[in-house]
Formats: sequence, C-alpha cells, structure tokens
Amino acid sequence: DTEVTQTPKHLVMGMTNKKSLKCEQHMGHRAMYWYKQKAKKPPELMFVYSYEKLSINESVPSRFSPECPNSSLLNLHLHALQPEDSALYLCASSLGGLEQFFGPGTRLTVL
Amino acid sequence: QKEVEQDPGPLSVPEGAIVSLNCTYSNSAFQYFMWYRQYSRKGPELLMYTYSSGNKEDGRFTAQVDKSSKYISLFIRDSQPSDSATYLCAMSRQAGTALIFGKGTTLSVSS
Repeated sequence: DTEVTQTPKHLVMGMTNKKSLKCEQHMGHRAMYWYKQKAKKPPELMFVYSYEKLSINESVPSRFSPECPNSSLLNLHLHALQPEDSALYLCASSLGGLEQFFGPGTRLTVL
Repeated sequence: QKEVEQDPGPLSVPEGAIVSLNCTYSNSAFQYFMWYRQYSRKGPELLMYTYSSGNKEDGRFTAQVDKSSKYISLFIRDSQPSDSATYLCAMSRQAGTALIFGKGTTLSVSS
C-alpha cells in the first residue's frame, strides 16, 4: 500500500457542529502532517506528528485539534469553525521527514 | 521578501514543447528541494526530490538546483496535455521540518 487516504472527501458543517477528518497510511511512515490549502494558494502547514507525538503546531487556533491514535492514523477534530476555515485539508506522511506524500484532501465548507 | 518566490503564470504551451518552471529562495539553510504536481481539486503529487545542488532526471522531467544562486528549476520535455496542472516547488531546512511552498505555477499544454 503506497498511498495516503483521507475521509471524507467532502464535508459541509455549521459553525456549531463538531466533526472529524481522518487520514490513514500503511507505508510505515513515522511522520504525519496536516496542511490547509485555500483556493489558488500553496498548502500551509498546521501540525506535524513525529512518532505519534505532536512536534510542530504552527500557531493553529484551538478549534482545530489534532490526534494521532497510532502510527498509521491521524485525525483532525473540528469544533466551532468559522466560514473562513473553509478550505482543502491535506494530510501527508513521510518516512524520514523528507519526501512527503500527500493524500487527496478533504474539501471542507463551513456555513 | 517571501522565503520562496514562484511565478504563478499561467503558462500556456503547445504539445511537445519544453517547459521550464522556476523558483527562487532567500534562505540559504534550505537543503532539500521538491517539485509537486497538483491537479485541480486533488492533493499534491511528489514529482522530484533533490538534495543540495545538482541535477536529477526522471523520464521527461529534470530537476536542477543551484544553491549558489538560490534557484531551482523543473524542465518538462515533450510536454503533454496531461501535464496541465499546477506545479509547486517546495523546500525544507532539514528532515521533519515544515515544507515551504512556492505559490505554484499553472501550466496548460494544448494539443
């Protein structure tokens, strides 16, 4: 298995909802990442997990809460989001932190 | 000055043309250089990865890094309509740190 999978593909949520994004990889990669990408912009790093521990938090608001239950799985819990949080949320993984492989993303719309 | 500069284009070429995509950067600490291809509404796909200065070739793609000039390039030979996408350069200081992306160049190859 040489891919990163993300679910759901699309998500529409209200500002009072709680939802979660899921990312999975079975390549034995020990680093996993969450990025946010707005339309026609490059991806922006949100969080990095290394060996299941949070190693980088790029000053992301607390309404985004990451979780790494095991070495293959990465979640992003969402609560009380704003319409400006609407974006493509990308998960990536890497073996030694160099080449990062991206999933297809979850397209999030906050109403 | 942004850390990574990339002309967003758009760049339009006929099928079979040689395409040159470029990025400049300001931080001499960058050591790892990558090119990603991103189709509309999809996640970025890693095309090429280079460490330090030099050239790397993979099929129709050639990546060049000139650290003395802080300049990287991606050449696409015999371009095809399927190459139409946004090309993102990315770089990092060391393994496990954030990838810093350029804005991306939108390429259109017409048949």
